[in-house]
Amino acid sequence: GAVVSQHPSWVICKSGTSVKIECRSLDFQATTMFWYRQFPKQSLMLMATSNEGSKATYEQGVEKDKFLINHASLTLSTLTVTSAHPEDSSFYICSAETGTSGYNEQFFGPGTRLTVL
Amino acid sequence: AQSVTQPDIHITVSEGASLELRCNYSYGATPYLFWYVQSPGQGLQLLLKYFSGDTLVQGIKGFEAEFKRSQSSFNLRKPSVHWSDAAEYFCAVGYNDMRFGAGTRLTVKP
Repeated sequence: GAVVSQHPSWVICKSGTSVKIECRSLDFQATTMFWYRQFPKQSLMLMATSNEGSKATYEQGVEKDKFLINHASLTLSTLTVTSAHPEDSSFYICSAETGTSGYNEQFFGPGTRLTVL
Repeated sequence: AQSVTQPDIHITVSEGASLELRCNYSYGATPYLFWYVQSPGQGLQLLLKYFSGDTLVQGIKGFEAEFKRSQSSFNLRKPSVHWSDAAEYFCAVGYNDMRFGAGTRLTVKP
């Protein structure tokens, strides 16, 4: 089956630093990748949608200058949390889909837990 | 705007008992509906989905869900729960950009 990995699985950083999270589709090419954020005991909230080779589309209320998304290849998307603060602490999940038309199942990564001290 | 409501935050059932997890949705058109399961340290796994056709959908791991348009519901069921079913369950609506419910945590008693 389709596998999506994320790295790192958890990260702790100091306030003010930047953190990069990688999302890889291991056995398929992902034309579109999604980034979600999940607060404790809450649901997944879509942050942005990225297509390979183009700028990401951010959901309303998500700061694009703070959450930088790069989808440079068909198997890799990165999310960089810039100048992280404690309120950015959360569980970040990516998903990837293949295909360009119709419905394409999203395959989810295991998530990255970010803790900002 | 599309939205999903899962009324039950936490449900506890005994192993072997039947299970029903509720999901209500709001969607402007014909909904695409999904149920996912999330176990600790694991990614979300798709249990089943509904696009059209037969309103009773069979999924993996013995789960099924029934789409009821009149009630705007898509409840997940399993006739006999196993201890390994303990996890967080999410209902979602949408197409390629999905909206998730708040989730229902399932605890299974031995």
